Amino acid sequence: GQNIDQPTEMTATEGAIVQINCTYQTSGFNGLFWYQQHAGEAPTFLSYNVLDGLEEKGRFSSFLSRSKGYSYLLLKELQMKDSASYLCAVRDSGGYQKVTFGTGTKLQVIP
Amino acid sequence: DVKVTQSSRYLVKRTGEKVFLECVQDMDHENMFWYRQDPGLGLRLIYFSYDVKMKEKGDIPEGYSVSREKKERFSLILESASTNQTSMYLCASSWTLAGGPYEQYFGPGTRLTVT
Repeated sequence: GQNIDQPTEMTATEGAIVQINCTYQTSGFNGLFWYQQHAGEAPTFLSYNVLDGLEEKGRFSSFLSRSKGYSYLLLKELQMKDSASYLCAVRDSGGYQKVTFGTGTKLQVIP
Repeated sequence: DVKVTQSSRYLVKRTGEKVFLECVQDMDHENMFWYRQDPGLGLRLIYFSYDVKMKEKGDIPEGYSVSREKKERFSLILESASTNQTSMYLCASSWTLAGGPYEQYFGPGTRLTVT
């Protein structure tokens, strides 16, 4: 099975940088996802890591260390619209594409 | 654009009723998923399907069943609704080809209240 830990809540200032951490313990690993979920809406895909290192996509970057069971999502130049929950999710190494989600980190961006 | 639709945004049912939640995707995805989302517990997988008529239990299948008779449609059935099944239900779909991220695309969710 999978066990995924993320902080419950974070607050950051508009224009700043924030790092949201995710640690996981897994019986198998075939990739880690980050999703964004605004209140009352469905999650939407942000990033994917399967190899160690940093993946950059505009203002958002995601890092993975498989040996440490650790990932982070880095958001730069924070905007008010970035206020949302950020979900870390790990995919099993089995054949069925099963993904386990963490409980999410609620980020509040303040002026 | 991938589109995943769910039959209702809000649903109110009585204890003991049989409840059907429908999900349809338009991108020919092999995989489809049903989750429930509760405060403090996050997204929990109920069932998933990797092909027509195929299904696998997720982490919390008790009290639920599913049906996938066509590739684009995945139904979640609550055989006898109970108050502890009051929740937000989210459907998702994805491809299953090797070598890619194949992220999940989510529907808008159904807020089910069982009274």
